[in-house]
Amino acid sequence: DIVMTQFPDALAVSLGERATIRCTSSQTILDSSNNNHCLAWYQQKPGQPPRLLFSWASTRESGVPDRFSVTGSGTNFALIISALQPEDVAIYSCQQYFNVPSTFGQGTRVEIK
Amino acid sequence: QVQLQESGPGLVKPSETLSLDCSVSGSPIVNQYYWAWIRQTPGKGLEWIGSIYNSVSTSYNPSLKNRLTMSIDTSRSLFSLRLTSVTAADTAVYFCARNDSGGFFANWGRGRLVTVSS
Repeated sequence: DIVMTQFPDALAVSLGERATIRCTSSQTILDSSNNNHCLAWYQQKPGQPPRLLFSWASTRESGVPDRFSVTGSGTNFALIISALQPEDVAIYSCQQYFNVPSTFGQGTRVEIK
Repeated sequence: QVQLQESGPGLVKPSETLSLDCSVSGSPIVNQYYWAWIRQTPGKGLEWIGSIYNSVSTSYNPSLKNRLTMSIDTSRSLFSLRLTSVTAADTAVYFCARNDSGGFFANWGRGRLVTVSS
């Protein structure tokens, strides 16, 4: 199985400050047929299902604010919140869908400092 | 707007079978998408259980494959999960989701907590 590892497990950021969540895959997740990485990012608030933020490593879902961005290639990826807002408090998870079984990172909890 | 809703018992005894249904509305259930089950535990995070397409194509997590069956009922627009011989380790929130092209999940049900306990 491809292991997805996120860092850190939790972080506390002041409102308006930048939050960076990293995700590493244990092997390549690059789909050579379309040259896109098979990586998705999700946001999950308490009592809710995960919400898809990005697919194919960088395709933003409709309605996702511009303060959310992604970067990375190869086996190292990051989700960046440029200016943290109160509504961004959540757990963020990455997912690879390159191989079966699809696997998720352990999640990163983002809180307000 | 696709909507998914899980249903089924919230309490299952050890060694028995966990059965859940996911009702789908706002989307064709055949000939277009894979449909998936995903579970979440505090200790292990999100775990993909398996996906099904048109009742003829299934893909299961190898860690659960020997205990798992997924099916689709097109007449009722729902798909189902059966997990046999459950233990406390199967206690989780079970989500159903639509498996979009490539394998990510853009639409989720709200989740169903299933506790395995005597």
